[in-house]
Amino acid sequence: QVQLKESGPGLVQPSQTLSLTCTVSGLSLTSNSVSWIRQPPGKGLEWMGVIWSNGGTDYNSAIKSRLSISRDTSKSQVFLKMNSLQTEDTAMYFCARSYYSFDYWGQGVMVTVSS
Amino acid sequence: DIQMTQSPPVLSASVGDRVTLSCKASQNINKNLDWYQQKHGEAPKLLIYYTNNLQTGIPSRFSGSGSGTDYTLTISSLQPEDVATYYCYQYNSGPTFGAGTKLELK
Repeated sequence: QVQLKESGPGLVQPSQTLSLTCTVSGLSLTSNSVSWIRQPPGKGLEWMGVIWSNGGTDYNSAIKSRLSISRDTSKSQVFLKMNSLQTEDTAMYFCARSYYSFDYWGQGVMVTVSS
Repeated sequence: DIQMTQSPPVLSASVGDRVTLSCKASQNINKNLDWYQQKHGEAPKLLIYYTNNLQTGIPSRFSGSGSGTDYTLTISSLQPEDVATYYCYQYNSGPTFGAGTKLELK
């Protein structure tokens, strides 16, 4: 069955770079796109960006300058890197299949930005 | 960017009630809209895709409708397990979520 699982550090210092991994199983990254979505504590959801099945990417214009999404198809992994982290980047980070109609989600990984 | 306004922010209703949640876009989104349910501590769950298509496994008491800028999620008979926050999501351009409607039991 299809599964996605996020992993990464729970704590990042301000101004540092966040690196997260989404490991997928039961689906091929060469025929599926994967999005990253985040949710600050007690707040709503924000679409961050997508990596398409052809390896192309699109990003939320509000964070585009700080965000990079890449993948390793041989390992079935999608990577998120975001630099210049601030406290407002504290959030649960999810990966999900597709760019819309997200039918499969990871459990999420909580990232706290604090010194 | 397209703004999505959900109303009301909080809705209290009784078991068995017919419940209607609204989502209004700042411009025409051509029915490119999904609805998600999120329970506390869980990832969101897809309920309705492309405005009015029920996702596999979702109870038939959930339905969606709308066009242009105005969209609605309806629960025909509220059940206790429907207590959650509901989000609309437009993917017509520059994808955005609404701020959510928190559904509570009265």
